[in-house]
Amino acid sequence: DTAVSQTPKYLVTQMGNDKSIKCEQNLGHDTMYWYKQDSKKFLKIMFSYNNKELIINETVPNRFSPKSPDKAHLNLHINSLELGDSAVYFCASSQGWGGGATEAFFGQGTRLTVV
Amino acid sequence: AQSVAQPEDQVNVAEGNPLTVKCTYSVSGNPYLFWYVQYPNRGLQFLLKYITGDNLVKGSYGFEAEFNKSQTSFHLKKPSALVSDSALYFCAVRDPPSYNTDKLIFGTGTRLQVFP
Repeated sequence: DTAVSQTPKYLVTQMGNDKSIKCEQNLGHDTMYWYKQDSKKFLKIMFSYNNKELIINETVPNRFSPKSPDKAHLNLHINSLELGDSAVYFCASSQGWGGGATEAFFGQGTRLTVV
Repeated sequence: AQSVAQPEDQVNVAEGNPLTVKCTYSVSGNPYLFWYVQYPNRGLQFLLKYITGDNLVKGSYGFEAEFNKSQTSFHLKKPSALVSDSALYFCAVRDPPSYNTDKLIFGTGTRLQVFP
């Protein structure tokens, strides 16, 4: 049983399109995240949610809109895709709001290619 | 701001030899430090963490890390490297509880290559 699952695994789309990536965790965690890994493998946090509430928005363009229908799901919708959005997007979850001591569990990633 | 630095882009080691992947940190207050590994086309897998307690932390797959407060370092180690250890390794620091963010901040990653 996969702990953090993302769909799709690969996404190839044209510039200007709108796309969504879905994420689900079955660990009962309160906090979920989206991270972006660029072509140089740098990992940067984009958003975090705690119990469906947005906690972190790291100066991500407005074209990116996360949605958390419940604490087990955190989806990422991207409008008007640009070439620079090509990257691997990772969903993650962790427990212990404010505890600072628990590890995060990551999904397998979604490789987005904008052409 | 909290940060970690991984000074080596790549570390090469022969199979059977000990390996070290370096990480230094800069934090306000107590550090909450983590190591993750990423295999090709895979997500990140948790290896180990330092929260408090013993300076030598043991983790998955025979890895361990040594927390050194005076040198602000948290180097990842393994006594005997395997070819299958070849992967990308990330050091990370979590914001302290007082920040109320639970944000995990990653280093730039170190590629470990173990040669047969």
